[in-house]
Amino acid sequence: GNSVTQMEGPVTLSEEAFLTINCTYTATGYPSLFWYVQYPGEGLQLLLKATKADDKGSNKGFEATYRKETTSFHLEKGSVQVSDSAVYFCALMRPSNTGKLIFGQGTTLQVKP
Amino acid sequence: GAVVSQHPSRVICKSGTSVKIECRSLDFQATTMFWYRQFPKQSLMLMATSNEGSKATYEQGVEKDKFLINHASLTLSTLTVTSAHPEDSSFYICSATGGRGEQYFGPGTRLTVT
Repeated sequence: GNSVTQMEGPVTLSEEAFLTINCTYTATGYPSLFWYVQYPGEGLQLLLKATKADDKGSNKGFEATYRKETTSFHLEKGSVQVSDSAVYFCALMRPSNTGKLIFGQGTTLQVKP
Repeated sequence: GAVVSQHPSRVICKSGTSVKIECRSLDFQATTMFWYRQFPKQSLMLMATSNEGSKATYEQGVEKDKFLINHASLTLSTLTVTSAHPEDSSFYICSATGGRGEQYFGPGTRLTVT
């Protein structure tokens, strides 16, 4: 079946540190891949996405590259800020199921000043 | 950006009663809305797809008679948890699909059944 696996958190970093949150997926066909972020008390927001192999999604300094050979979509940021503290969700959407998202378990990021 | 609201944000009810949760798209029309359930420190699990003017489509394992979904207009979908029990206590999240297919999520509703 289709599934998404994220690294367990919480991830605690100091400000300006490099961030990587691992995400791997299992899917049939060629899914679209997403990273969502959930700030405290708010709904999930789309952070970035990639729709085909080797695509790189980027937003607000975050990047993730769709790697079909390793079935991965790792999230990276070169220098995190305290305001990046949130829960990050990796998700996939199968081409045949437009709209239906399958989420990873979420990774909590805590950035300390 | 597009805004989706949920009401109430949190609710406590007694076992055996029913609870209705509303999901509204505030500045756009949504032909499709989705309902998710999130357990503590776990992923969001899709419960059902709500289509305006037609019956909802439920995911495998979700009891349609227990979780009643009504999508009566292009801006409102409701989830009613009927005869709630403590194991129904959870965080319920809706999302609405905009014109370009992107999903916008509501802030969620915390249901506690005592």
